Amino acid sequence: GDSVTQMEGPVTLSEEAFLTINCTYTATGYPSLFWYVQYPGEGLQLLLKATKADDKGSNKGFEATYRKETTSFHLEKGSVQVSDSAVYFCALTHYQLIWGAGTKLIIKP
Amino acid sequence: DADVTQTPRNRITKTGKRIMLECSQTKGHDRMYWYRQDPGLGLRLIYYSFDVKDINKGEISDGYSVSRQAQAKFSLSLESAIPNQTALYFCATSPGTGGITDTQYFGPGTRLTVL
Repeated sequence: GDSVTQMEGPVTLSEEAFLTINCTYTATGYPSLFWYVQYPGEGLQLLLKATKADDKGSNKGFEATYRKETTSFHLEKGSVQVSDSAVYFCALTHYQLIWGAGTKLIIKP
Repeated sequence: DADVTQTPRNRITKTGKRIMLECSQTKGHDRMYWYRQDPGLGLRLIYYSFDVKDINKGEISDGYSVSRQAQAKFSLSLESAIPNQTALYFCATSPGTGGITDTQYFGPGTRLTVL
């Protein structure tokens, strides 16, 4: 069945470092791909999404490109801030929403 | 005011007790969902409802039941709580207009502890 695999956390970086959080998926056909973010003590909120191959989703300085050839949707940000500390979830939707396990990101000043 | 609210935010209960978690939304969405979140497991779907008369089991519905009282209200019940139901529970809504690209909007979560 469909599945999403994310890199395990926590990921700890210094402020202004470059961020990559890996996400790969398994699905038949052409799913839509999402990144959601969960800030401490809050519910999840959509960060960005891409609905077809080669689409790039972007928001708040984060980007992810839908790569069908590598079945990946890696999240990147050029310069992270302490306020980016959160748990990041990759997800795909095909017939239903399938979630990755989440990656905790810790940014140190 | 928050668009998706959950009550209570925290609850501690004992094994065997009946518990109800409530979710209300002001977004006017038809679709509502209940998830549980466990460390390292991401979110798992318990039940979902595409409208008031349409309720469906998700991945892990055993031990849970739901009620869709109105478009805006979707309650989750644990008929007889057990310790492995200790988790963070989230309600979510979506408009249903985006098909498979539908964005889901989450409540703040209910932390449930079953002793």
